[in-house]
Amino acid sequence: GENVEQHPSTLSVQEGDSAVIKCTYSDSASNYFPWYKQELGKGPQLIIDIRSNVGEKKDQRIAVTLNKTAKHFSLHITETQPEDSAVYFCAASPYNTDKLIFGTGTRLQVFP
Amino acid sequence: DTEVTQTPKHLVMGMTNKKSLKCEQHMGHRAMYWYKQKAKKPPELMFVYSYEKLSINESVPSRFSPECPNSSLLNLHLHALQPEDSALYLCASSQDRGGYQPQHFGDGTRLSIL
Repeated sequence: GENVEQHPSTLSVQEGDSAVIKCTYSDSASNYFPWYKQELGKGPQLIIDIRSNVGEKKDQRIAVTLNKTAKHFSLHITETQPEDSAVYFCAASPYNTDKLIFGTGTRLQVFP
Repeated sequence: DTEVTQTPKHLVMGMTNKKSLKCEQHMGHRAMYWYKQKAKKPPELMFVYSYEKLSINESVPSRFSPECPNSSLLNLHLHALQPEDSALYLCASSQDRGGYQPQHFGDGTRLSIL
């Protein structure tokens, strides 16, 4: 079955710097890759997603890139702000299933 | 604010109690999900409902019993839980079934089993 690895497990950056979180997946048939942000005491919030027919997607300060050949995808946050501090989860959805397979999470801390 | 509403936010129960968790969405979504999340771990899928019918049960113990009374509501009935069942229980919904559909989560019910 699908397996998703996520790195790093923790990431500390200075406000204004960029942050990059990387995930790799094992099932080449996976075709949907969302990213979630989870703040303390809250549920996961979908922040951006990408499908397998697209290589890159941007939404303001957030971007996701997908390399299908290498089976990895990355989240890029530019001009980080303290409110970006949270746990970020990547996920992959194997083809023809209802499931999301989550990565292990990255705790991002943005220091003022 | 999340468009998936879960109640209660917190629940403490004994191992012999019976309680229910509730989830509601008014986005017209036809697929709804229950997840369990332990501290510092990702969510783990428990159940999937599609068009009010159970489509996936991830080998969840029978002390957890899901119910979908209508397309907007999802319940999780709890009975004879164990201390290891203490966790955050998350509900999610998507437009339709299919893992490529964006799933939107509620803020969860934090459950503690005494």
